[in-house]
Amino acid sequence: SQQGEEDPQALSIQEGENATMNCSYKTSINNLQWYRQNSGRGLVHLILIRSNEREKHSGRLRVTLDTSKKSSSLLITASRAADTASYFCATDAETSGSRLTFGEGTQLTVNP
Amino acid sequence: DARVTQTPRDKVTEMGQEVTMRCQPILGHNTVFWYRQTMMQGLELLAYFRNRAPLDDSGMPKDRFSAEMPDATLATLKIQPSEPRDSAVYFCASGLGHSYEQYFGPGTRLTVT
Repeated sequence: SQQGEEDPQALSIQEGENATMNCSYKTSINNLQWYRQNSGRGLVHLILIRSNEREKHSGRLRVTLDTSKKSSSLLITASRAADTASYFCATDAETSGSRLTFGEGTQLTVNP
Repeated sequence: DARVTQTPRDKVTEMGQEVTMRCQPILGHNTVFWYRQTMMQGLELLAYFRNRAPLDDSGMPKDRFSAEMPDATLATLKIQPSEPRDSAVYFCASGLGHSYEQYFGPGTRLTVT
């Protein structure tokens, strides 16, 4: 089974609204990362949060990490049509070396 | 603007043919990853290298897939013989290793008929 599992699988919102995506994982981690993938393109790194951090911001992105619940959330504020993409969480497990294990992704659609 | 490059971008081949995909990692990155993405399986790690040495290739079908780094500027993924079930998008990514972000290339879309 996937180390990281995103929820929901798909999300459709209107421009200007906030979008929240969640990720759950199973084992202890060094860090958790969020990536975006536009259709037909490679993944783009968005933000990395380390296991000793609880919250991190980058522009309109806010990521939280709760290691006791083994979960993370990605909030995109004031969404734009250009935010339409798939969003993946990826975990760097303590025992995995440099390996990242990706979840199945959340497909976000922002309607203009 | 440093980025990972991959060639070819698209490849259509017949079952049984050899396929070679190439990747140029970002200069200075010491870790290179090969992933495969399909609708059914999502993103799977096939193999990765650090300082050109293979660290883990447990995700690859050993009988038909091979991955190498002839030098620090080139990583290759070879499939011989190819099968229709190998149809997928293959991504290369590079990074600075443990606990750092990965930079993905644009992918090679492989179709085996």
